[in-house]
Amino acid sequence: DIQMTQSPSSMSASVRDRVTITCRASQTISIHLNWYQQKPGKGPKLLIYAASGLQSGVPSRFSGSGSGTDFTLTIDSVQPEDFATYFCQQSYSTPYTFGQGTKVEIK
Amino acid sequence: QLQLQESGPGLVKPSETLSLTCTVSGGSTSSRSDYWGWIRQPPGKGLQWIANIYYNGNTYHNPSLKSRVSISVDTSKNQFSLKLSSVTAADTAVYYCARMVVILQPYFDSWGQGTLVTVSS
Repeated sequence: DIQMTQSPSSMSASVRDRVTITCRASQTISIHLNWYQQKPGKGPKLLIYAASGLQSGVPSRFSGSGSGTDFTLTIDSVQPEDFATYFCQQSYSTPYTFGQGTKVEIK
Repeated sequence: QLQLQESGPGLVKPSETLSLTCTVSGGSTSSRSDYWGWIRQPPGKGLQWIANIYYNGNTYHNPSLKSRVSISVDTSKNQFSLKLSSVTAADTAVYYCARMVVILQPYFDSWGQGTLVTVSS
């Protein structure tokens, strides 16, 4: 199985800060990397697909980059509604696997 | 707008079979462009993909669960289902159903709200 490692596991940020979350795959996965946002009691919401594709309806302050084994999710000017947990997921091969999550909290 | 809703018992006894159904609205399980999947999340932990199914019944499983998992689709009811046999406390989790699309590469673009299943006697 491909292991996905996110960092940091948690972080605190102030409104309007830039937030960066990284995800590393245990082997190369090209651009087969997706990012999701999850709020308490809710199902995950797709933010970014294929490493850098912005899902329809997702604010442009969210962006993704990377290829191969190293990927980044960036939130420019984080807003109050962005405080949540973020997961990366590889879809290069089954079993599809997820990172352990990064919880972004208000400072 | 596509909506998915999980349903099923919230409490299952150890060694029994967990059964869940996902009802799809605003879309079709007969779609040739979509796959339908189950993902779970133990309390306070990360996400684990369980299995996917295609409209024609083709299935794709996580090998770690494959021997205990059965996934099926009923296109006449616009539903798909999960059965997980011989459950233990380790199977206690929130279970999500989701749609997977393949544009450039696969991703889950719509998720249900999830249903908590507790395994306990």
